[in-house]
Amino acid sequence: GAGVSQSPRYKVAKRGQDVALRCDPISGHVSLFWYQQALGQGPEFLTYFQNEAQLDKSGLPSDRFFAERPEGSVSTLKIQRTQQEDSAVYLCASSLGGGGKEQFFGPGTRLTVL
Amino acid sequence: GQNIDQPTEMTATEGAIVQINCTYQTSGFNGLFWYQQHAGEAPTFLSYNVLDGLEEKGRFSSFLSRSKGYSYLLLKELQMKDSASYLCAVRGPNAGKSTFGDGTTLTVKP
Repeated sequence: GAGVSQSPRYKVAKRGQDVALRCDPISGHVSLFWYQQALGQGPEFLTYFQNEAQLDKSGLPSDRFFAERPEGSVSTLKIQRTQQEDSAVYLCASSLGGGGKEQFFGPGTRLTVL
Repeated sequence: GQNIDQPTEMTATEGAIVQINCTYQTSGFNGLFWYQQHAGEAPTFLSYNVLDGLEEKGRFSSFLSRSKGYSYLLLKELQMKDSASYLCAVRGPNAGKSTFGDGTTLTVKP
């Protein structure tokens, strides 16, 4: 069956460019999470949706980061005016119920900002 | 906030048993997870503990002591494919938000 998919898998951006990262969760999953993972570190929480509602965005590092899930399914993470420190793997995860016990992760988008 | 500590690296021999420890300090607790992450891949769920005690699932077991802020993941009959990073994560008072440790890189040698 289809798991969580993310696109693009790799993205190279010049400093100052805007990027949009897409996540397609498992069909029917209520909860959706975005994480940022730097090399050699664990995933760092960015934001959490339950259906279309963004219930927690406390992990977004700055107002350059914006996430949406308008119809409660596909989600987009947008980063404006990218900086070199934004270079990381961005992971999306979904879970069936609210709150996310077992989270299913996508393959991630590796963002490199030059 | 949450603070999670786990060893950076461990090495073990194929067929042996290894225990990976995780300690945490938290302002609220709604469960502890273990995930496995192979290099260059996404994390995959291994276990979830919310009550004290041992949860067994095949070759993997996970233990939790909430009073001590302590958990361990036990891997039995190690196989070469178990070489990976093992991530401990704690779900805090806000149900959706989990904090991950930096992972323990386990190397299984023949």
